Amino acid sequence: DAGVIQSPRHEVTEMGQEVTLRCKPISGHNSLFWYRQTMMRGLELLIYFNNNVPIDDSGMPEDRFSAKMPNASFSTLKIQPSEPRDSAVYFCASSFAEQFFGPGTRLTVL
Amino acid sequence: KQEVTQIPAALSVPEGENLVLNCSFTDSAIYNLQWFRQDPGKGLTSLLLIQSSQREQTSGRLNASLDKSSGRSTLYIAASQPGDSATYLCAVLTGANNLFFGTGTRLTVIP
Repeated sequence: DAGVIQSPRHEVTEMGQEVTLRCKPISGHNSLFWYRQTMMRGLELLIYFNNNVPIDDSGMPEDRFSAKMPNASFSTLKIQPSEPRDSAVYFCASSFAEQFFGPGTRLTVL
Repeated sequence: KQEVTQIPAALSVPEGENLVLNCSFTDSAIYNLQWFRQDPGKGLTSLLLIQSSQREQTSGRLNASLDKSSGRSTLYIAASQPGDSATYLCAVLTGANNLFFGTGTRLTVIP
């Protein structure tokens, strides 16, 4: 298996634009997690899904953030509208028992 | 390459006992160190974040220390409770925004 796949790897956008981050979990994994990492706040859990159903979205910072998992092999994290303070690295992870992290998407909002 | 090790791998203690979890890393050039808790089937929950310039952080019954020069961190849990049972992970952030996780310590607090 290729591991958790995230796209794009880098995204630079302007304030106010919509940003969509994508994740393909490892086949067979039943849980998927979205994290945000910044220098000041470290790694924070945003939301996680179990069997495609959102279980805990208490870490989602604002209504500008939304996440979907339409099927077992795909998830998106959307920010609309984006703001400079959203700049961070966003990780997706999947698990059946142990969590495996994707390479992350480095988002820069100008 | 940065390597992060946690000792012990598993720990069982009776309720009420104070305990210490250990984390060591091989490269002292880190930006920060973070302790996480992971419950089965759930995401990582951040407990404490220590910046490289700090020596310790406290939150409730938890206290984390950092000795960057020796490549060590400890997580102290006071008056342990059964609800503290979980896996505890430490992670260090290095240059180029690379996050390295430790192997984890599985804690069981026995009522």
